[in-house]
Amino acid sequence: QVQLQESGPGLVKPSETLSLTCTVSGGSISGFHWTWIRQPPGKGLEWIGYIYYTGSTNYNPSLKSRVTMSVDTSNNQVSLTLSSVTAADTAVYFCSREFRNDYGNNWFDPWGQGTLVTVSS
Amino acid sequence: DIQMTQSPSSLSASVGDRVTITCRASQSISTYLNWYQQKPGKAPNLLIYAAYILQSGVPSRFSGSGSGTDFTLTIGSLQPEDFATYYCQQSYSTPRTFGQGTKLDIK
Repeated sequence: QVQLQESGPGLVKPSETLSLTCTVSGGSISGFHWTWIRQPPGKGLEWIGYIYYTGSTNYNPSLKSRVTMSVDTSNNQVSLTLSSVTAADTAVYFCSREFRNDYGNNWFDPWGQGTLVTVSS
Repeated sequence: DIQMTQSPSSLSASVGDRVTITCRASQSISTYLNWYQQKPGKAPNLLIYAAYILQSGVPSRFSGSGSGTDFTLTIGSLQPEDFATYYCQQSYSTPRTFGQGTKLDIK
């Protein structure tokens, strides 16, 4: 079964760039959309955006100016960068697969365990 | 953006109770609605997709209904492992958006 694992620095300084990688095992990233979602401590879930395995992207307009996603099919990885971070970007960052069926429905499954990124000097 | 509003925000119940959580969308989303369960320190887990289809492996005490703007998640008989936070999520359009969550705890 497909498993996802996020990795990256747990501490980023204000104004710097957050970089995370999601490694997919147990299946190929080809054919799917891969999503990043974040959750500030004690708060709800925010969709950051997704990347298709071909490299096409769709970002949340609230973050679009600072977000870049990329895909590495040879290593079965997707990556997220978020520039000019502030304390408001402190959150657990999850990667997930957006699964789509033939009827146009789509949902997030599975999810990685998440990684906490703290923005602090 | 489509706004998703859940009610209640928190709920206390006992083992064996039947509980219902409501999710309302700011515009019609047909049945493009998913439900997730999240336990502390864990990633959300998909329960129901397309408003009423139970994800494989999810107990049958969970059920979903609704279409358009109003949706419900019902847990037929609460079990100890069901105490968690529940989120609805619309998949009708981007940006994908979630409800604010409903925290279900033990009375």
